[in-house]
Amino acid sequence: NAGVTQTPKFQVLKTGQSMTLQCAQDMNHNSMYWYRQDPGMGLRLIYYSASEGTTDKGEVPNGYNVSRLNKREFSLRLESAAPSQTSVYFCASSYRRAFFGQGTRLTVV
Amino acid sequence: GNSVTQMEGPVTLSEEAFLTINCTYTATGYPSLFWYVQYPGEGLQLLLKATKADDKGSNKGFEATYRKETTSFHLEKGSVQVSDSAVYFCARNTGNQFYFGTGTSLTVIP
Repeated sequence: NAGVTQTPKFQVLKTGQSMTLQCAQDMNHNSMYWYRQDPGMGLRLIYYSASEGTTDKGEVPNGYNVSRLNKREFSLRLESAAPSQTSVYFCASSYRRAFFGQGTRLTVV
Repeated sequence: GNSVTQMEGPVTLSEEAFLTINCTYTATGYPSLFWYVQYPGEGLQLLLKATKADDKGSNKGFEATYRKETTSFHLEKGSVQVSDSAVYFCARNTGNQFYFGTGTSLTVIP
């Protein structure tokens, strides 16, 4: 029972590079989320998807795009990475409670 | 608005001390309330939850009571252990939206 799986676990990017963070859940949840976690800021919602084919902006969407490819997968893309996007990124899915992946530690230099 | 406010850390306690981490929320409607715990290098895990007023969530010796009159969901444990060292997040949801507090770091020293 894998739950929520995120890849990669670690990534270093140069400013201006692009990358996609992958997330998949095997619990048949409709709702999926991307958060970023920064010291002293807690978890901030980047994007949210209530169901396959729908996405909504969260608190801090600028510089990110998302794709809800199917019910299982919800990816987060950084088109042109900036140092301000250095953070730990968490994917989650929910049904009555939220389930989190292990996180992706991203450093942009 | 809709938000969760929890006490700022870090909190340092000696083993077997009493723990309280305060959490208050603002919300329209009747949210469910949660405490999540994050151990070093890991994702968040559900610690306990309560879905309606006066419910008490409990797990691993931790407790929190949903107090609608004070819009609070304070986390308590009577005797902390070194293994409880982690970051604790209060959260609420309404519908499918989850809102988290900023997290409180707890360190328990032997």
